[in-house]
Amino acid sequence: AQTVTQSQPEMSVQEAETVTLSCTYDTSESDYYLFWYKQPPSRQMILVIRQEAYKQQNATENRFSVNFQKAAKSFSLKISDSQLGDAAMYFCAYRRTGNQFYFGTGTSLTVIP
Amino acid sequence: NAGVTQTPKFQVLKTGQSMTLQCAQDMNHEYMSWYRQDPGMGLRLIHYSVGAGITDQGEVPNGYNVSRSTTEDFPLRLLSAAPSQTSVYFCASSKPQGTENYGYTFGSGTRLTVV
Repeated sequence: AQTVTQSQPEMSVQEAETVTLSCTYDTSESDYYLFWYKQPPSRQMILVIRQEAYKQQNATENRFSVNFQKAAKSFSLKISDSQLGDAAMYFCAYRRTGNQFYFGTGTSLTVIP
Repeated sequence: NAGVTQTPKFQVLKTGQSMTLQCAQDMNHEYMSWYRQDPGMGLRLIHYSVGAGITDQGEVPNGYNVSRSTTEDFPLRLLSAAPSQTSVYFCASSKPQGTENYGYTFGSGTRLTVV
């Protein structure tokens, strides 16, 4: 069975600083996809960044980047120059072959002005 | 705007009542699914579909039914509502892996309270 673990229920960061959210996953597959989703208080789920397992290069989207360690089954999200609008719940997700997605339990990020 | 339309946004039901949560997408996505979100538990898969006429159970299917008569629509039926079904429900759709934009597109969610 595939499981996704986010070990940090809550994190906080000072505005303009950098924060890293952790995610580990368990799988026996070699080909899969990983995602980070953001859920602000509006409840809408927003795709932040995605990573294909066959790519060695870490994905980057503006201030958001990942550290993908395939052997360690680790997929952390780094947010640089944190902004007040980054405050949200962040979910790590794994997509297996066969299309099913699995989500972690989320990390609530607070940005301190 | 193209996307996933989910209705209603809020609903209060009495125990034993039935209802249908509607989900429609206009992106021609083959894969659609329903999740429930509960505090501290993340998103748990209820049912999913890989195409019209094909549905399957996820992690927490009991008490829910689905059907997929068209590519666009994927309604979720609560057969006899129970307080344990109080939750936020999300519908999501995606293209298959290996295509562009294979991440999920989510609906805006339905907050359901069963009293």
